[in-house]
Amino acid sequence: AQSVTQLDSQVPVFEEAPVELRCNYSSSVSVYLFWYVQYPNQGLQLLLKYLSGSTLVKGINGFEAEFNKSQTSFHLRKPSVHISDTAEYFCAAYTGGFKTIFGAGTRLFVKA
Amino acid sequence: DTAVSQTPKYLVTQMGNDKSIKCEQNLGHDTMYWYKQDSKKFLKIMFSYNNKELIINETVPNRFSPKSPDKAHLNLHINSLELGDSAVYFCASSRADTQYFGPGTRLTVL
Repeated sequence: AQSVTQLDSQVPVFEEAPVELRCNYSSSVSVYLFWYVQYPNQGLQLLLKYLSGSTLVKGINGFEAEFNKSQTSFHLRKPSVHISDTAEYFCAAYTGGFKTIFGAGTRLFVKA
Repeated sequence: DTAVSQTPKYLVTQMGNDKSIKCEQNLGHDTMYWYKQDSKKFLKIMFSYNNKELIINETVPNRFSPKSPDKAHLNLHINSLELGDSAVYFCASSRADTQYFGPGTRLTVL
């Protein structure tokens, strides 16, 4: 069965510092991988996705993620965070069949 | 020109009542979903419809009944509400792999 594990439930970081949010997936078939962001009191929105090709994927708001097949990981990174990046971040995997598997979420808290 | 909209945004009701949440998407997508997000932000899929046909039903109590009158609408009716139903309910739509979420409906059962 497919699963998505986000290794950190909360990540506090100071403004302008770099951040990495970790995600591992488990699947015996090819997957499409996603990061979604949920700002307070809002729905989820797509940050970036990996379908195929280059393993380094760039998304909105300066975020990027790297697909690593050997380590079954899809970690999200940003070199310098802003207060406005404070949000819940969800890693997700799609293997077809109309179903997306979401991780439990990582709360990124950016401090001034 | 909101892509996925839900009404109402907030819903406060007593235990035992019946309530509905409505969802509409104007993206022309064939597939729509209902998710439940609990207080710890865990997101759980409840139902999925493709072209008005139910394709995913994730062991949700029978008190929850989705209805899709057309491809652009997916409503959720909940009978005999319980305290444990308190959560944020999200509607979403997709054409293939990417999901587009509505703003959520915060349901509070007293």
